[in-house]
Amino acid sequence: QLQLQESGPGLVKPSETMSLTCTVSGGSVSSSTNYWGWIRQPPGKGLEWIGSLFYSGSTYYNPSLQSRVTMFVDTSNNQFSLRLRSVTAADTAVYYCARLLLTYWYFDLWGRGSLVTVSS
Amino acid sequence: SSELTQDPGVSVALGQTVRITCQGDSLRSYYATWYQQKPGQAPVVVIYGKDNRPSGIPDRFSGSSSGNTASLTITGVQAEDEADFYCSSRDNSGDPHVVFGGGTKLTVL
Repeated sequence: QLQLQESGPGLVKPSETMSLTCTVSGGSVSSSTNYWGWIRQPPGKGLEWIGSLFYSGSTYYNPSLQSRVTMFVDTSNNQFSLRLRSVTAADTAVYYCARLLLTYWYFDLWGRGSLVTVSS
Repeated sequence: SSELTQDPGVSVALGQTVRITCQGDSLRSYYATWYQQKPGQAPVVVIYGKDNRPSGIPDRFSGSSSGNTASLTITGVQAEDEADFYCSSRDNSGDPHVVFGGGTKLTVL
């Protein structure tokens, strides 16, 4: 059964770059039947789509974050990653990785989430 | 980009029926997906596509759509249904983006 697990620093300083990795187990990140995605949720607030990527390297980003976001796939380690530059306190959130099914364009499988706090 | 609008909160008595709605232009072209999120947990899909429930989701959850509005109906609400519910869909701007609604807090009385 496919599982996703986020990993990365829980604390990042303002203006720095945060990096998170999602490890895919029980399946392949090189699947051609789905995209992968990142979603975040600030404390007490709603869900925000950050972006989606295909194993081939195609990426789509939320326009509001596009200037600061990079996503990529690491097929050798069966992982995909998120980098967000120039973070501020507003980027404090639980970050989820998820699988995006192409049939109805929805996230059917989610990681447990990783809390990233931006603070000096 | 598109936006999806949800009522912030809805209350329902135990055992009654509740409808949670989601409005947005993208829903004229794409189906809504409904997620249930309980405190401290990741979201879980309850409805996707026209009216499809993933395995393990009770049949008291159902979905429908008309024009720019998608609805999630819970028939015979249970105490464990109290949660935040989010709708989402593909964005209709041209690129395969995803958009989420602001969420609806369901309170079971």
